[in-house]
Amino acid sequence: GAVVSQHPSWVICKSGTSVKIECRSLDFQATTMFWYRQFPKQSLMLMATSNEGSKATYEQGVEKDKFLINHASLTLSTLTVTSAHPEDSSFYICSVCREGSYNEQFFGPGTRLTVL
Amino acid sequence: AQKVTQAQTEISVVEKEDVTLDCVYETRDTTYYLFWYKQPPSGELVFLIRRNSFDEQNEISGRYSWNFQKSTSSFNFTITASQVVDSAVYFCALSEVNTGFQKLVFGTGTRLLVSP
Repeated sequence: GAVVSQHPSWVICKSGTSVKIECRSLDFQATTMFWYRQFPKQSLMLMATSNEGSKATYEQGVEKDKFLINHASLTLSTLTVTSAHPEDSSFYICSVCREGSYNEQFFGPGTRLTVL
Repeated sequence: AQKVTQAQTEISVVEKEDVTLDCVYETRDTTYYLFWYKQPPSGELVFLIRRNSFDEQNEISGRYSWNFQKSTSSFNFTITASQVVDSAVYFCALSEVNTGFQKLVFGTGTRLLVSP
């Protein structure tokens, strides 16, 4: 069965609104989750590392005030796209890290965001 | 810096043909992992294989096989007797020990189209 869930699977919103995307680890507790963004016909780009109980670590060029990450529990991380604009339209994918010898990542099914 | 190159952006084959997807990587670490993922039109990433840098044995899984050559920094993926269901985007990825194997760097992907 699925190890990671994301909600919603797709969302359409008006420019200027904020959108929250949830990522849940269904099989195990995770102190670390990751958020990726994928533009059409492009690769996955890591946006940030979400750490339970502490601030997220953002990759260079990712606006932390625009993409708010909250890792409130060991099974839930949320990504909020604030004041969304059409250029934020993308496929957002989370992954959950199971700590071990190689920190295996399990990917969620993704959330397709369309900003009108 | 770590980097993954998939020079083939798109490959079209006819069913039952064999096809090889190329992956070349760059890393300064001697300890790393290489991955292949499949992304069908639904968008959800499907894990195919993980290989650590100390294991250069080739692997076969059904119609899939992987050829890992450290001498050329390549980790190529071959599908034998391709099928329409193999149509997807395939990503090669790398994680290094210096990031605790937590950061996955993806290649740009190869879109495979298998026609009947």
